Amino acid sequence: GNSVTQMEGPVTLSEEAFLTINCTYTATGYPSLFWYVQYPGEGLQLLLKATKADDKGSNKGFEATYRKETTSFHLEKGSVQVSDSAVYFCALSGSGTASKLTFGTGTRLQVTL
Amino acid sequence: NAGVMQNPRHLVRRRGQEARLRCSPMKGHSHVYWYRQLPEEGLKFMVYLQKENIIDESGMPKERFSAEFPKEGPSILRIQQVVRGDSAAYFCASSTGTGTYNEQFFGPGTRLTVL
Repeated sequence: GNSVTQMEGPVTLSEEAFLTINCTYTATGYPSLFWYVQYPGEGLQLLLKATKADDKGSNKGFEATYRKETTSFHLEKGSVQVSDSAVYFCALSGSGTASKLTFGTGTRLQVTL
Repeated sequence: NAGVMQNPRHLVRRRGQEARLRCSPMKGHSHVYWYRQLPEEGLKFMVYLQKENIIDESGMPKERFSAEFPKEGPSILRIQQVVRGDSAAYFCASSTGTGTYNEQFFGPGTRLTVL
């Protein structure tokens, strides 16, 4: 079955530091890949997505590239801000439309001044 | 266009009571998904519904849990005879069900506490 593995947190960084959160996946076929962000007490918001190999998703300074050869979708940001403090979830959706999402366990990011 | 609505946001039940969680999808969305998030864990898929049909309930516990999405009105996740282990955040997501990938929009969640 499908599965997602992401690095455990918490990750604590100083403001303006470089961020990498690792994510690898196992899936049959050609999944779509996502990063969601969850702020305290809120639901999940889609941060970025990639639907095929070598696609790069980007949003709000965050980027992730769909690497089929390494089955990875690592999240990066060049300069984090305090407002980026949240929990980040890597997820995949199986081939085809309207299928369920499989999530990683989440990585908590804490950015300090 | 309002987002996905869930109510109540917080629900407290005693062991043995019933919990009913409601989800109104985004306008134009006919696909609804329910996920459960246990403390300090990721989201786990429970059930996927279209109007009046359950499409995939592979993540739903076999007993005490049921879900529906009637022709009119919100989707309902029902938990009978709740136990402490049911305490979690329950998230609903909706999508159009079309297109080349599955973008789901999430509601704010219902946080269930079982005393």
